[in-house]
Amino acid sequence: AQSVTQPDIHITVSEGASLELRCNYSYGATPYLFWYVQSPGQGLQLLLKYFSGDTLVQGIKGFEAEFKRSQSSFNLRKPSVHWSDAAEYFCAVGRFKAAGNKLTFGGGTRVLVKP
Amino acid sequence: GAVVSQHPSRVICKSGTSVKIECRSLDFQATTMFWYRQFPKQSLMLMATSNEGSKATYEQGVEKDKFLINHASLTLSTLTVTSAHPEDSSFYICSARSGTSEWTAEQFFGPGTRLTVL
Repeated sequence: AQSVTQPDIHITVSEGASLELRCNYSYGATPYLFWYVQSPGQGLQLLLKYFSGDTLVQGIKGFEAEFKRSQSSFNLRKPSVHWSDAAEYFCAVGRFKAAGNKLTFGGGTRVLVKP
Repeated sequence: GAVVSQHPSRVICKSGTSVKIECRSLDFQATTMFWYRQFPKQSLMLMATSNEGSKATYEQGVEKDKFLINHASLTLSTLTVTSAHPEDSSFYICSARSGTSEWTAEQFFGPGTRLTVL
């Protein structure tokens, strides 16, 4: 069975500082990986996704993520955090085709931004 | 871009009543829709997958008679929480997917519905 682990439940970062959110996955085949952001009381917005090709993926809002197969990781980064980046971030791995196109989500990381 | 709406955004009901939540894809045809449940400060748990015109597939541990899902058209899926109880209070989120190839496998999420059962 596949699983996604986000080791950090909370991260506090100062505005303007860099941010890195960790994501580790367990999956028996080539994974399809996603990062979503959720603002309080809202649905999920896709930040970026990895299907294949270049392992460094650029997303919206200045985010990027790097797929490292050897470490089973897909960490999300942003060079300079803005106050509006305070939210919950979810990493997800997708199973497609015969597996019914389902997503499995990590537990989430809540990001707090200090002024 | 692809937009998914949910209605209502919030609902409060009495214990024992049924509540229907609608999920609509506004600018694309959704071959598959998914229903998730999210408890406070927790992750999303997939409840069921519905394909237009066929019965929903429920995840293990989800009561299909409790959570009725209907995917009547390519733009509408409904989740009905029957005989709701306080433990059914939660944030329910739907997502929709178009296409059948792996390259169109992205899910687009609705804004969620906050259900409170008194």
